[in-house]
Amino acid sequence: DTEVTQTPKHLVMGMTNKKSLKCEQHMGHRAMYWYKQKAKKPPELMFVYSYEKLSINESVPSRFSPECPNSSLLNLHLHALQPEDSALYLCASSQGGLAGTSTDTQYFGPGTRLTVL
Amino acid sequence: AQSVTQLDSHVSVSEGTPVLLRCNYSSSYSPSLFWYVQHPNKGLQLLLKYTSAATLVKGINGFEAEFKKSETSFHLTKPSAHMSDAAEYFCVVSPPTNTGFQKLVFGTGTRLLVSP
Repeated sequence: DTEVTQTPKHLVMGMTNKKSLKCEQHMGHRAMYWYKQKAKKPPELMFVYSYEKLSINESVPSRFSPECPNSSLLNLHLHALQPEDSALYLCASSQGGLAGTSTDTQYFGPGTRLTVL
Repeated sequence: AQSVTQLDSHVSVSEGTPVLLRCNYSSSYSPSLFWYVQHPNKGLQLLLKYTSAATLVKGINGFEAEFKKSETSFHLTKPSAHMSDAAEYFCVVSPPTNTGFQKLVFGTGTRLLVSP
């Protein structure tokens, strides 16, 4: 099974709301990623977790707060977002860990389409 | 530094004709190269990857790509396009790493349009 699941599929929120995006994989992968993708653009890396520890934060505003509660789950907490944060948010995972290399395949979830009003 | 250039932002073909999506890369080291496909409002699906084994790589749905080091290219081809191939295609480089995770470098994407 090479599936990465994401919930919800769609989310509409106001600028004062707090919401969370969820991502789950059961492939035993130790690296998990959050990407943001705007229309007609490639994905942009936001965060990387390796062994449940935040390894990369690509200068993402603090209104985005990632969390990795265990090796299978990845959350993205959203608070006080701006309309320009509307995008497709993709989660991905790869083998990672001590065995991880540049040849690993990143498996992507279907994404959450976020609209900020 | 690694970089990827997808030479065409849009490619239009007729159903049943060959597909060629072009990708050039820049890398100081032997790269790992990937092609991903993204259908509208979907996630990215791996088509194929090159990892320094055979230079001709076969992928899913009849796609293949050839790694040409001398030309620094990794073009994606398919002998006969199907309507379901209409999507966005990304050429991706994975730089060498000893961290256990990857910072993928994406091309800007090529939108493949298939007409009946």
